Amino acid sequence: DSGVTQTPKHLITATGQRVTLRCSPRSGDLSVYWYQQSLDQGLQFLIQYYNGEERAKGNILERFSAQQFPDLHSELNLSSLELGDSALYFCASSVATGNNSPLHFGNGTRLTVT
Amino acid sequence: GENVEQHPSTLSVQEGDSAVIKCTYSDSASNYFPWYKQELGKRPQLIIDIRSNVGEKKDQRIAVTLNKTAKHFSLHITETQPEDSAVYFCAGSSNTGKLIFGQGTTLQVKP
Repeated sequence: DSGVTQTPKHLITATGQRVTLRCSPRSGDLSVYWYQQSLDQGLQFLIQYYNGEERAKGNILERFSAQQFPDLHSELNLSSLELGDSALYFCASSVATGNNSPLHFGNGTRLTVT
Repeated sequence: GENVEQHPSTLSVQEGDSAVIKCTYSDSASNYFPWYKQELGKRPQLIIDIRSNVGEKKDQRIAVTLNKTAKHFSLHITETQPEDSAVYFCAGSSNTGKLIFGQGTTLQVKP
């Protein structure tokens, strides 16, 4: 168990809908990262938060948004969903920002858009 | 921009043989290089990492080497076992801490 908690585990919804994915980082970790993994694809970085503030942005669509709350949990909001948004969404956390901290991944949320 | 290239995309070896996966990175500011193992439908798990002040690191059957001049690092697995079969991802860090991942290598170890 990595200590990173993601809910829900599975989500099935229709095109055009909006969903929210939730992540609780490991105790003591201040940085939260979101990654998207489509079928047979690699891990695409979406966005990073550190202690409540956006720290880095990757290939995140304008239909997607995220935030990190004062208790350090994070939410990823996906709107106007399309079939191509179906993927495994991972949250990861690390103790700090900076380029030598291991990332610990949650078990992911599998999103299916029908 | 930041980019990590990984090859091969697939690798099949006989049980007991060695496996080598190679990665190159573009961001000269990167100084942390972890390797993750991902089994089907599960989360990526850190198996070994190396920092730029070290050229080689070993943990039992797994070793990683780093050549900062060439911006190249490799994962070596010796005496492979069927349970080593998985997808392996290399990654390079950025100054914010985010990891840029390679495309992944699917390793199959045949009994």
